[in-house]
Amino acid sequence: MVLRQSPGTLSLSPGGRATLSCRASQSVSSNYLAWYQQKPGQAPRLLIYGASLRATGIPDRFSGSGSGTDFTLTISRLEPEDFAVYYCQQYGNSPTTFGQGTRLEIK
Amino acid sequence: QVQLVQPGVEVKKPGASVKVSCKASGYTFSNHGFAWVRQAPGQGLEWMGWIRSDNGNTNYAQKFQGRVTMTTDTSTTTAYMELRSLRSDDTAVYYCARANRYGSGSFEFWGQGTLVTVSS
Repeated sequence: MVLRQSPGTLSLSPGGRATLSCRASQSVSSNYLAWYQQKPGQAPRLLIYGASLRATGIPDRFSGSGSGTDFTLTISRLEPEDFAVYYCQQYGNSPTTFGQGTRLEIK
Repeated sequence: QVQLVQPGVEVKKPGASVKVSCKASGYTFSNHGFAWVRQAPGQGLEWMGWIRSDNGNTNYAQKFQGRVTMTTDTSTTTAYMELRSLRSDDTAVYYCARANRYGSGSFEFWGQGTLVTVSS
């Protein structure tokens, strides 16, 4: 299953709102879709699983939505530490796959 | 607290093998499997496969079939990923991640990654 993330790069200012998209080539079983944040030199950090459930310790400015083939990660009120690369992952269909990533950069 | 500790760097020559370790602590080892994910320089995340810690069952990505072996050692609570016949395009950071009991799911805990450099 191919996951396509858009846009490739998103330029926004702190305090703004980010909307990242992840589109699957077929329906994701049980909406098993996760989002990760990755900063340079660090391992990915789980933000969202099950399409909309926040992982432990994740601020509520991060929210996930969607079902079937279309999923969205929304970050409201961008903080300076939110500028990073974001990946989606589907784990409802074998093999698990990742999207190619969206880079969120400071405008 | 859950910790997954990996070695920092491995340097190998083309054609050699590398065996990356992932020492787990802070939870019941047999209750969770492991996934291995790699990331080439400047690229995205690539799933390589996963292994169950309770029975050793594995599921490898087709791309790595025949070239990768994943194992676990419950006595030392360590997972291993061995990749053989290394090529220059295997140069990447290799991450272990804690999976669910069945070796799948999303990945809440990750090792810090092992940079494997393949160069003559």
